[in-house]
Amino acid sequence: KAGVTQTPRYLIKTRGQQVTLSCSPISGHRSVSWYQQTPGQGLQFLFEYFSETQRNKGNFPGRFSGRQFSNSRSEMNVSTLELGDSALYLCASYPGGDPVLSGNTIYFGEGSWLTVV
Amino acid sequence: AQSVTQLGSHVSVSEGALVLLRCNYSSSVPPYLFWYVQYPNQGLQLLLKYTSAATLVKGINGFEAEFKKSETSFHLTKPSAHMSDAAEYFCAVTSGVGSGNTGKLIFGQGTTLQVKP
Repeated sequence: KAGVTQTPRYLIKTRGQQVTLSCSPISGHRSVSWYQQTPGQGLQFLFEYFSETQRNKGNFPGRFSGRQFSNSRSEMNVSTLELGDSALYLCASYPGGDPVLSGNTIYFGEGSWLTVV
Repeated sequence: AQSVTQLGSHVSVSEGALVLLRCNYSSSVPPYLFWYVQYPNQGLQLLLKYTSAATLVKGINGFEAEFKKSETSFHLTKPSAHMSDAAEYFCAVTSGVGSGNTGKLIFGQGTTLQVKP
């Protein structure tokens, strides 16, 4: 069974540009979450999608957005890139519903390394 | 609100020695706790999870953790460290749909484990 797949793995962008990152969850998983990891702030929750609907959102500016498709694949977009957006962006998936009640495990992908210059 | 505190950003042990990584959580509802490991340039790999079924949880690679509600702790241990255990370890908490958090994970700042030969 394939794991969570993120593309691209590495990319370099210039300030002011925009970027789109893609995540394919584990087959059968309907929930996809995104996290930003930086040395200074650690791992921070961006947003979660379930059945094409945003179910939860972290404290990030509106430049950060996402969406989920009917096949559960998800994309996140960052517009007007800033140097501080340089980070590892991680995608996580699990089957859906309530992780506490179901005992489902949340799995992570390898991440997309974004460098803004 | 939920939070996680990992005591010690860096822990150094000798090969064969006991590994103890500390995690304390704060949650107003029953928590669902994880330990993840991150090797250099990789995503997060699940070590173990606590879902209220048993307070002593065994994970992969010989790791285990004990949930202590009275101490609000979920410390990670391994009896004998191996060189391959050198990595960064993250403790995380969620509380599921009941609290509105769904699949959102709150992470600690991480602990880097160094294993000396």
